[in-house]
Amino acid sequence: GDSVTQTEGQVALSEEDFLTIHCNYSASGYPTLFWYVQYPGEGPQLLFRASRDKEKGSSRGFEATYDKGTTSFHLRKASVQESDSAVYYCALNPNTGYQNFYFGKGTSLTVIP
Amino acid sequence: DPKIIQKPKYLVAVTGSEKILICEQYLGHNAMYWYRQSAKKPLEFMFSYSYQKLMDNQTASSRFQPQSSKKNHLDLQITALKPDDSATYFCASSQVGGADTQYFGPGTRLLVL
Repeated sequence: GDSVTQTEGQVALSEEDFLTIHCNYSASGYPTLFWYVQYPGEGPQLLFRASRDKEKGSSRGFEATYDKGTTSFHLRKASVQESDSAVYYCALNPNTGYQNFYFGKGTSLTVIP
Repeated sequence: DPKIIQKPKYLVAVTGSEKILICEQYLGHNAMYWYRQSAKKPLEFMFSYSYQKLMDNQTASSRFQPQSSKKNHLDLQITALKPDDSATYFCASSQVGGADTQYFGPGTRLLVL
């Protein structure tokens, strides 16, 4: 079945550190992949999305590249700031006609100033 | 102005009671959803509606009943409340067709005593 796996449950970094959050997916065909960010007390909000193999999504210094070969969509940022502290969710829509999204378990990022 | 309104923001209920969570979206979307977020399951899909019709139900219990009185409304009725129902409930919406981005409301935090 369709699913998303995020390896890291919690990540703690210092400001200006490099961030990688791993996301691997399982789906047939060409799913659309998303990264969402959730700040405390708020709903998840879209960071960016990608729909095709090798497509790069990016926003606010975050980026991820759709890789169908390795079924991955890893989130990266070169230099994190304290304001990036939040929970990050990788998600997919399998593009099978239904609008169901499959979310990973989320990665809680804490950036220490 | 908020585009997705959820009411109330906080809700305390006693075991066995019934509550209705309200969701209205002003994005002109045709699909709406409910998700639940708790410590046990970070972001769990519950229902999807398209043009006011139920498309998918991933909730095992019939105690959870979505109600769509208008195209931009999708309320969630919960009966015979249990402490395990304590969670934050998020409403989301999207256009219909393809892997459209889902936009989330701010959530209703429910505590069942």
